[in-house]
Amino acid sequence: SQELEQSPQSLIVQEGKNLTINCTSSKTLYGLYWYKQKYGEGLIFLMMLQKGGEEKSHEKITAKLDEKKQQSSLHITASQPSHAGIYLCGADKNYGQNFVFGPGTRLSVLP
Amino acid sequence: DTEVTQTPKHLVMGMTNKKSLKCEQHMGHRAMYWYKQKAKKPPELMFVYSYEKLSINESVPSRFSPECPNSSLLNLHLHALQPEDSALYLCASSQDRGQGRGSPLHFGNGTRLTVT
Repeated sequence: SQELEQSPQSLIVQEGKNLTINCTSSKTLYGLYWYKQKYGEGLIFLMMLQKGGEEKSHEKITAKLDEKKQQSSLHITASQPSHAGIYLCGADKNYGQNFVFGPGTRLSVLP
Repeated sequence: DTEVTQTPKHLVMGMTNKKSLKCEQHMGHRAMYWYKQKAKKPPELMFVYSYEKLSINESVPSRFSPECPNSSLLNLHLHALQPEDSALYLCASSQDRGQGRGSPLHFGNGTRLTVT
């Protein structure tokens, strides 16, 4: 089965600092997705990575997928309080509709 | 603003009640999902509908009964639930993701269910 691990489990940073969240898979990833969730709300889609070595950016958030397609990182530059929330990586469990999530990383940004 | 709409936002029900959760999307997506999320845990997949047919049931107890009346609507019928079923229930939709075609899931804001 596709197992996803995330590190760190939680992160507290001062506003303006950079940070990185990692997502690791025990198997080759067919597609890796990053989501953000505010407490008690739905998940907001951030980025999708499918090719080894792929890198995508949106505003101050950059996501990368390694060449072996087993590890992804999410990097936030100059963090702001609006970046606070839970970041989850998700992946296709084999081919098909089954989609699973990592345990999540809880980010707090102190003003 | 989410393009997947879930109602109600909150629901409190007794163990003998029958209730339904509703989900609607107008993005033309042909796959729809139900997830259950407990506090401080990631969402867990319950059901997947593809082209209005149930394609995945993750061994969910029969007290949860999904229904997909058409390509835009997804319901989750609840009957004789237990207190441990209290959770955030999330609906999602995506373009057809079969055969390795990647497509992100788009989530609604969920229904916070409390079973008393």
